Amino acid sequence: DTAVSQTPKYLVTQMGNDKSIKCEQNLGHDTMYWYKQDSKKFLKIMFSYNNKELIINETVPNRFSPKSPDKAHLNLHINSLELGDSAVYFCASRAGASETQYFGPGTRLLVL
Amino acid sequence: GNSVTQMEGPVTLSEEAFLTINCTYTATGYPSLFWYVQYPGEGLQLLLKATKADDKGSNKGFEATYRKETTSFHLEKGSVQVSDSAVYFCALRDNFNKFYFGSGTKLNVKP
Repeated sequence: DTAVSQTPKYLVTQMGNDKSIKCEQNLGHDTMYWYKQDSKKFLKIMFSYNNKELIINETVPNRFSPKSPDKAHLNLHINSLELGDSAVYFCASRAGASETQYFGPGTRLLVL
Repeated sequence: GNSVTQMEGPVTLSEEAFLTINCTYTATGYPSLFWYVQYPGEGLQLLLKATKADDKGSNKGFEATYRKETTSFHLEKGSVQVSDSAVYFCALRDNFNKFYFGSGTKLNVKP
C-alpha cells in the first residue's frame, strides 16, 4: 500500500512542451505539498494546499499551476517547459494536527 | 526570515565511525525541528524530530537534541553502517506550518 504516490516516475520531454505530474495520497491527510529538488539536492517548497485550498505559493513561475480536484490529489501542471525545470519533483502530505510529512518517491523530470 | 543551514557534504566515513552532521536554524517563534533521510532513488523519509527546546529525537541509532540557546539540531550516530549512506536533510516547521529544508548533506560510509 503506497501512502503517497506520484506518476510518472520519470519524464523526459522537449523544451516548450506542457506536462503534468500527478500525486495521490491515501492517508486521509488534509495538506499536500509540492517540492522541487535541484541537481545539488537542495529542496525547496513550491506549493501547499489544505483541503483543496492554496495556502502556500512560493515564488514560482506562472508556468507552474497546481490543481487539487479533491483532498487526496494534488497535481502539478507545467506549461512551456524550460531547461531549468529539470529536477526531481516531490509531493508530500501531512495530517492536520501532525508535524510529520510523508513524501512520495519523486518524479524525475528532464527537459531537453 | 526562517532558514536552515547544514554542513556541506559529502561526508565520508568508515564503517563504525562516529557521525556528526551539523544543523543550525533561524526562526521566529517556536519551530519544530526534523531530520529527514533520502536513500538513493527514493523520496525523503522522516528520521527523527523534536518539538521543543531540550527535546531529544532518536531513531535507528541516530539522535539529535533541540538546542534553543545555540539554535542547533545536530545529528549524531555512534557507529555508522554502510546502509546509512544517504542524503540527510535538516528541516524546521514554523508556526504557520511551513517547512524549510536545509541543502542536504550526503553521507558516504565505506566498509
